[in-house]
Amino acid sequence: DAKTTQPNSMESNEEEPVHLPCNHSTISGTDYIHWYRQLPSQGPEYVIHGLTSNVNNRMASLAIAEDRKSSTLILHRATLRDAAVYYCILSRRGNTPLVFGKGTRLSVIA
Amino acid sequence: SQTIHQWPATLVQPVGSPLSLECTVEGTSNPNLYWYRQAAGRGLQLLFYSVGIGQISSEVPQNLSASRPQDRQFILSSKKLLLSDSGFYLCAWSFLQGPGELFFGEGSRLTVL
Repeated sequence: DAKTTQPNSMESNEEEPVHLPCNHSTISGTDYIHWYRQLPSQGPEYVIHGLTSNVNNRMASLAIAEDRKSSTLILHRATLRDAAVYYCILSRRGNTPLVFGKGTRLSVIA
Repeated sequence: SQTIHQWPATLVQPVGSPLSLECTVEGTSNPNLYWYRQAAGRGLQLLFYSVGIGQISSEVPQNLSASRPQDRQFILSSKKLLLSDSGFYLCAWSFLQGPGELFFGEGSRLTVL
């Protein structure tokens, strides 16, 4: 299975943009890139996913490198409620279950 | 719309006692179902997943088992709990076809004493 590499932790100031990186150099052509986040004492929450093109939704933007070997989750204005562990995961279409790594712990400073 | 429920939310069990956690999904048919566990301070570990009634795949050998008696019901069980079974158990579902977006339940926090 293709693996992802994320920094263990990052810090951001409130109301500033946050760029969370993810490397996935062994990604295959059929792998989707997913991002989830987990707030304390809660289950993970879907943030965004993409295949080749950049994606935007109400929560975040996903920028995918042209060679697809890396991606960046962009939170446009960090709030205190965005403090969470962010997971970057690859998945194949169909029944392959998502395997979570350790993710990046994002701290937001007021 | 689809919803997922799991219970109980919290439980404290003695070592050697049995366990049963239940999860149900509403508003969809033929979902893929999953059990994950998160030990204190650790990452999310996939325990079991199911693509249909009676079809269970185990990812980690241990004293836990899973069953899917109905299309939208997923049960996690143990005959004898160990201290190491303590953790936050999460049920999740995804559409049978698609890129695999997961929808998680509220979680069940198990403490084994």
